[in-house]
Amino acid sequence: GNSVTQMEGPVTLSEEAFLTINCTYTATGYPSLFWYVQYPGEGLQLLLKATKADDKGSNKGFEATYRKETTSFHLEKGSVQVSDSAVYFCALSEVEGGTSYGKLTFGQGTILTVHP
Amino acid sequence: NAGVMQNPRHLVRRRGQEARLRCSPMKGHSHVYWYRQLPEEGLKFMVYLQKENIIDESGMPKERFSAEFPKEGPSILRIQQVVRGDSAAYFCASSPPWGGNQPQHFGDGTRLSIL
Repeated sequence: GNSVTQMEGPVTLSEEAFLTINCTYTATGYPSLFWYVQYPGEGLQLLLKATKADDKGSNKGFEATYRKETTSFHLEKGSVQVSDSAVYFCALSEVEGGTSYGKLTFGQGTILTVHP
Repeated sequence: NAGVMQNPRHLVRRRGQEARLRCSPMKGHSHVYWYRQLPEEGLKFMVYLQKENIIDESGMPKERFSAEFPKEGPSILRIQQVVRGDSAAYFCASSPPWGGNQPQHFGDGTRLSIL
């Protein structure tokens, strides 16, 4: 079955530091990959996505590249802000067989705290 | 354009009672997914529905849990005879009707607490 593994947290950084959150996946076919962010008390918001190998998703200074050879989708940001403090989830969605939908399989989440 | 609406935001039940969680998808979306987030864990898929049909319920516990998405009205996740282990955040997501790997849009969740 499909699975997603994220680096264990929590991650604590100072403002303007470089961020990397590792994500690797196992899938039987060709999944789409996503990063979602969850702020306290809220639902998940889509941060970025990539649908095929070598695609780079980017949004709000965050980037992640779909690496099929290493089955990875690491999240990076060059300079974090206090407002980036949240929980980050890596996820995959795979169209299965003849179906036309993809339920999401999530990693366990990484808590990021950014201090001024 | 209203997002995915879930209610209630917080729900407290005593053991043995029933819990009903509601989800109204985004306008124009006809695919609904329910996920459960246990404390300190990621989200786990429960069920996928389209209007009047359950497409995939492979993540639903075999007993006490049921879901529906009627022709009119919101999707309902129903938990009968709740137990302490049902305490979790339940999230609904929706996506457009043209299928494929469309990004899912999430509601703010219902936080269920069992006394």
